[in-house]
Amino acid sequence: AQKITQTQPGMFVQEKEAVTLDCTYDTSDPSYGLFWYKQPSSGEMIFLIYQGSYDQQNATEGRYSLNFQKARKSANLVISASQLGDSAMYFCAMRGNTGGFKTIFGAGTRLFVKA
Amino acid sequence: NAGVTQTPKFQVLKTGQSMTLQCAQDMNHNSMYWYRQDPGMGLRLIYYSASEGTTDKGEVPNGYNVSRLNKREFSLRLESAAPSQTSVYFCASSEARRGPDTQYFGPGTRLTVL
Repeated sequence: AQKITQTQPGMFVQEKEAVTLDCTYDTSDPSYGLFWYKQPSSGEMIFLIYQGSYDQQNATEGRYSLNFQKARKSANLVISASQLGDSAMYFCAMRGNTGGFKTIFGAGTRLFVKA
Repeated sequence: NAGVTQTPKFQVLKTGQSMTLQCAQDMNHNSMYWYRQDPGMGLRLIYYSASEGTTDKGEVPNGYNVSRLNKREFSLRLESAAPSQTSVYFCASSEARRGPDTQYFGPGTRLTVL
């Protein structure tokens, strides 16, 4: 069975500092993808970054990077130079490449950016 | 492009009533999904449709039915609503391909069952 665990219900970070949001996963699929989504208070889900299980390098998208450690089954999101607009819920998600492209989500981490 | 649209945005039902949540996408995506979001539980997959003409159960299908009407539309039906189905419902779509198969989400439907 697939499982995503986000152990930090809430995180605080000072504006302009970096923050790491943790995500661990479990799967028996040999090939899978890991995603991070942002959900601001307005409620929409916004895709941030993707990491494939066979990608050699860690994914980066602007201020977002994914610290992928396959052996530890972790896929932490790093946000550099935090901005007030980064305050939101962040969800880690995983999709195995078998089984019809189902995606499962973690419970989320609420990030608060302080001025 | 409107992306993924959902109707209605808000709904209040009484226990035992039925309703259908509508979802449409204009991105020519193959796969569509229905999730529910409850506080502290993230998103849980109710049903999905990997391609037109197919539907499969997700993690929490009980109490729901779905119809993939055509490639664009995927509806979710509650036959006899229960208070436990009070939640925010999201529809999503994706191309359905290996690799970065990003899901695009609708704005959500906030459902309250009294």
